[in-house]
Amino acid sequence: GAVVSQHPSRVICKSGTSVKIECRSLDFQATTMFWYRQFPKQSLMLMATSNEGSKATYEQGVEKDKFLINHASLTLSTLTVTSAHPEDSSFYICSAYSLVLSEQYFGPGTRLTVT
Amino acid sequence: GQQLNQSPQSMFIQEGEDVSMNCTSSSIFNTWLWYKQDPGEGPVLLIALYKAGELTSNGRLTAQFGITRKDSFLNISASIPSDVGIYFCAGQDYGGATNKLIFGTGTLLAVQP
Repeated sequence: GAVVSQHPSRVICKSGTSVKIECRSLDFQATTMFWYRQFPKQSLMLMATSNEGSKATYEQGVEKDKFLINHASLTLSTLTVTSAHPEDSSFYICSAYSLVLSEQYFGPGTRLTVT
Repeated sequence: GQQLNQSPQSMFIQEGEDVSMNCTSSSIFNTWLWYKQDPGEGPVLLIALYKAGELTSNGRLTAQFGITRKDSFLNISASIPSDVGIYFCAGQDYGGATNKLIFGTGTLLAVQP
């Protein structure tokens, strides 16, 4: 149990376009989901906290108008990278928090390459 | 953003050796977690620590929550090739209701068969 999926696993897009990444909790409900970004050979950096039915809370330095987060249901959160640029190329990882299990479960990540 | 200091940055060991890595913070955390990340995948939880001074084992892994709440260590005994990966500590925001995690800088472990 407690599986989190991400789609797509890899995406290549052209500079200036937008990309949407989905994060789903498959067998549990998650009132809170988190979005992280990981550059090569670096740690996971929290971008934002997404609460179902409310606006996301962004970490300092993360542009909320560039990284749009929607958490419309207890099993789905989406991250849209708008007007992507090559410097947005990174590994994006989501996690979902299970109240029942009191634990965060991580997705497998999405590799974004902006050309 | 805030990060926890993890050491060593990397380790290259022989199969069968024991490994020790640690994590320190200037902030207090009420929960410490240790994760392993394989290339191109998300992190997987290894051990969770909830009380200062707590020592917890999971198979060949042992971790301790420092008494000051500002540090933790992870030991791996009798390493095997599949232990290869990046190990991250993470602290859960003290007193926070958001369950936000702050990750360490990571320790790359390479095991020579």
